This record gives sequence, structure tokens and C-alpha cells, in this order.
Amino acid sequence: KNQVEQSPQSLIILEGKNCTLQCNYTVSPFSNLRWYKQDTGRGPVSLTIMTFSENTKSNGRYTATLDADTKQSSLHITASQLSDSASYICVVIFSGGYQKVTFGTGTKLQVIP
Amino acid sequence: DGGITQSPKYLFRKEGQNVTLSCEQNLNHDAMYWYRQDPGQGLRLIYYSQIVNDFQKGDIAEGYSVSREKKESFPLTVTSAQKNPTAFYLCASSFARSEQYFGPGTRLTVT
Repeated sequence: KNQVEQSPQSLIILEGKNCTLQCNYTVSPFSNLRWYKQDTGRGPVSLTIMTFSENTKSNGRYTATLDADTKQSSLHITASQLSDSASYICVVIFSGGYQKVTFGTGTKLQVIP
Repeated sequence: DGGITQSPKYLFRKEGQNVTLSCEQNLNHDAMYWYRQDPGQGLRLIYYSQIVNDFQKGDIAEGYSVSREKKESFPLTVTSAQKNPTAFYLCASSFARSEQYFGPGTRLTVT
């Protein structure tokens, strides 16, 4: 069982609409959680980084939330644009020693006109 | 792509041949990483290096080898021992324990 699970696997929304992507994790002890955006055939690019003490972090139209008690995070995209079409990957980092990084399988978002 | 380059973008090889993927960074990062990405799976760590002349196996190191002779460079060799080498390979770098920056990736196809 993957220690970082994302839902939905894929999502299609109309341009201008909002959407929320989910990430549940079982990784422990937890250091920080990151959301990456990956365009097709490209490397992932960081959107947000949150430590266990942070509840929310924004980056433009992207807002990530974190509930460390329930081990859940979400990424909310406001007023979607065609360029938001990509895979969004949730990444959880263990605390202590070398930073053990666990990647979710991603949510593939398609924004259509 | 933040100062990390990978080459080539596409690579084709015949089964049984070794192939080396290049990764270079000019971010002065100490740590470098190689990941493999397959459809429907999260990125999986192949090898990582925290300092020059030192590297450690990741979760799926079998059939791969690396070297770290220079801080800027961390080439990955996919050997003929790797059973399913066709994949998208991503290199990343970071300062210790901080955010990883990814390269643009190399798509390797072995036939």
C-alpha cells in the first residue's frame, strides 16, 4: 500500500472553474509536505512546501492545506486556466537523517475550454 | 528547470546495451538524486549522493550504477541487467534536507 495516496487519479474541469485535489499519507514521523506540478514530459516544479505546523500555504491561484492530525492535505486551484493542465504530485518527507522522500502517484488534471 | 540539465531528452537503445544518462547542475547543491517514473506510479528513487565521491542505493538500484566525481555531475548508467529499463528518468538536486529541484527528464526506450 502506497504511503501517499492521491485522489482523484484524473480530473477534467472547465476553464475558470475551481477544483480540489486530495492527498492522504501514512508517513511518520512527518517533516514536511510538498505539492509539485508536472507538465507532460517535463520535470516536476514545486508549488508549495508546508511543515507540520503550517495549516495553509498559497502560491498565486494555488492554495495547499494540511491537517497533520488526520494526515490529509489538499491543493485547491482557483479560476483554472488551460495552462493548469498537468499532473499534481503530493510529496511527503520523513523527518530525521537523510530526507526520505515519498511521492504520491499524482492527479492528472485536464482543463478544457 | 532551475539550473539542472539532463541530456538527451529522448534516448533509444537496443536491449543488452548499457546506456548513460547525463545530469548536470549549476546550483551548487550538495545532494543529487536519480528517480524513475513509470505510468501510474509515483517517482521511485534509484540512487542518491549527498557529497562528492559518495553515493547510496535507493529503493530500486538493481541494474543501475552511478558516479559522483564532481559536485556538478551525477551520471546514471542503465546496464543490461536492468530488466525493464524503458521509463522516464528524472534527476534532482538539493541542499541537504531542503527542496529538491528537478531536471527536465530523459525518456529512455529500450527495444
